[in-house]
Amino acid sequence: GAVVSQHPSWVICKSGTSVKIECRSLDFQATTMFWYRQFPKQSLMLMATSNEGSKATYEQGVEKDKFLINHASLTLSTLTVTSAHPEDSSFYICSASDGDQPQHFGDGTRLSIL
Amino acid sequence: AQSVTQPDIHITVSEGASLELRCNYSYGATPYLFWYVQSPGQGLQLLLKYFSGDTLVQGIKGFEAEFKRSQSSFNLRKPSVHWSDAAEYFCAVGAPAAGNKLTFGGGTRVLVKP
Repeated sequence: GAVVSQHPSWVICKSGTSVKIECRSLDFQATTMFWYRQFPKQSLMLMATSNEGSKATYEQGVEKDKFLINHASLTLSTLTVTSAHPEDSSFYICSASDGDQPQHFGDGTRLSIL
Repeated sequence: AQSVTQPDIHITVSEGASLELRCNYSYGATPYLFWYVQSPGQGLQLLLKYFSGDTLVQGIKGFEAEFKRSQSSFNLRKPSVHWSDAAEYFCAVGAPAAGNKLTFGGGTRVLVKP
């Protein structure tokens, strides 16, 4: 089946630093990738949708200058949390699609900002 | 806009007993419907999906779901649960007209008693 790899799985960093999370589709071409945020014991909230070669489309309330998304190839999208603060601590999950359903999910990245 | 409701936040079931998880959706057209399972600290695994056709859908791990348009429901069932089925379950609706974005329900946590 379709495999999506997300890296790193866990990152701890100091407040004010920037953190990059990678999402790769390993065995298919992901024309669309999605980034979600999940708080403890809560559901997934879509942050943004990125199409290869285009600017990401952000959901309402998501700061695009805070959460930079790049989707430069059909197998890689990155999410950079800039100047991270403790309130950015969360579980971030990506998913990838070849333009059709369903989306295939990565294993998530737990981000802890000290 | 689409929405998904999972009325049960927690369900406890004995091993070997049957399980039914409820899901109600709101969407103006024929939806794409999904059930995903998430183990702690992990990403999401697709259990099954409904796009069209037969309203009773078979999935992995012995799960099935039934689409009932008249009730706007897509309930998940398993005849006999195993201890390994303890996890968080998410129902989601996909909107083909909105770039295949997924909207998730709040999730149902399933606990399995020995």
